[in-house]
Amino acid sequence: GAVVSQHPSWVICKSGTSVKIECRSLDFQATTMFWYRQFPKQSLMLMATSNEGSKATYEQGVEKDKFLINHASLTLSTLTVTSAHPEDSSFYICSARDEQGGDYEQYFGPGTRLTVT
Amino acid sequence: GQNIDQPTEMTATEGAIVQINCTYQTSGFNGLFWYQQHAGEAPTFLSYNVLDGLEEKGRFSSFLSRSKGYSYLLLKELQMKDSASYLCAVTDSNYQLIWGAGTKLIIKP
Repeated sequence: GAVVSQHPSWVICKSGTSVKIECRSLDFQATTMFWYRQFPKQSLMLMATSNEGSKATYEQGVEKDKFLINHASLTLSTLTVTSAHPEDSSFYICSARDEQGGDYEQYFGPGTRLTVT
Repeated sequence: GQNIDQPTEMTATEGAIVQINCTYQTSGFNGLFWYQQHAGEAPTFLSYNVLDGLEEKGRFSSFLSRSKGYSYLLLKELQMKDSASYLCAVTDSNYQLIWGAGTKLIIKP
């Protein structure tokens, strides 16, 4: 199956700093990528839909100025958490949609665990 | 609105069979996915149904009835490693994935 990578796997940062997370589709091109956040013992929450070459679409309640998304190529989307605070500590997961297949399946990256101290 | 319902938690015994149900109401339908997610890990793909009927894949099977807005995931010969959350997700008319809250499956010896 298709492979999606995320970097870093985990990161610890100080409150007030910014953190960038990369999501790459390794063996297919993805016009559309998705960023999810998951708090412990809760389900996935879609944060935003990242579209190559255009602005991301954010879900209600997600601050676009705090969570900056850039999808500059068909294989790379980045999420930057700006001025991070402890409440931003979470598991961030990206997925990339394979639109060449008929089922539009989303392939998930392994996730990035962010801890803000 | 769009809505996907599945039980919050289920318990089953090692070696037994368990069925996890999922009902959905979405704007359009372009397929239903089941994902498995172990704690602290990203979801992994289990199955995809777009036509009515049963899809069997080893110990796991998935069933879909579009007219009833209903699916189930059937797990046979349960193993301890099957303890995980199982997520039902539906692709709507815009090919967006609508997620259920997940069912936490606990396997007991």
